[in-house]
Amino acid sequence: GESVGLHLPTLSVQEGDNSIINCAYSNSASDYFIWYKQESGKGPQFIIDIRSNMDKRQGQRVTVLLNKTVKHLSLQIAATQPGDSAVYFCAENQAGGGADGLTFGKGTHLIIQP
Amino acid sequence: DAGVIQSPRHEVTEMGQEVTLRCKPISGHDYLFWYRQTMMRGLELLIYFNNNVPIDDSGMPEDRFSAKMPNASFSTLKIQPSEPRDSAVYFCASSTPGQGARGYTFGSGTRLTVV
Repeated sequence: GESVGLHLPTLSVQEGDNSIINCAYSNSASDYFIWYKQESGKGPQFIIDIRSNMDKRQGQRVTVLLNKTVKHLSLQIAATQPGDSAVYFCAENQAGGGADGLTFGKGTHLIIQP
Repeated sequence: DAGVIQSPRHEVTEMGQEVTLRCKPISGHDYLFWYRQTMMRGLELLIYFNNNVPIDDSGMPEDRFSAKMPNASFSTLKIQPSEPRDSAVYFCASSTPGQGARGYTFGSGTRLTVV
């Protein structure tokens, strides 16, 4: 079946630099995308979402970009901090979110170097 | 709000034994999901309920797995008999429509080890 996947398993950045985590999806019917952060020993935590009628959405220190033409999603984290170290997952849903299950990518481990 | 509560946090059992994982969703959430996380396969949806009724169990790996939701505040995921390949972290999540993924909350998971 179609799935959501990530380009890089591990990303190492210097504290204070910006981080970009990428995600490719293959299901053209996907209309809602979400980024989650998972810290060690915890469940995934919502970061930011975007619907398919948008190409950019900003939150606090985070920006999600959606390119529907190439089916690509990215998460940008500005001025990364030690607390940003975690595994980041993209996920997609075809029902607008919350009404049925999410399909997750494999995850990217973000490591912040001091 | 205590969030989604799962128990136990860790479970070690011998192959062939029955394992029961428990979940208490957030009050007022009418959707409940069970996910399994492994290094090889990532996060996979096993089953989800709406208003205590199972809606989609196509992700349940085989008949050894069963899930129930006897009321709005409690759900169980049972594996009988357990096998070493069932070792994983099992997450429960709950949500309510209209809030998108913002209202989709995961518990802290149960780490299951089958030896």
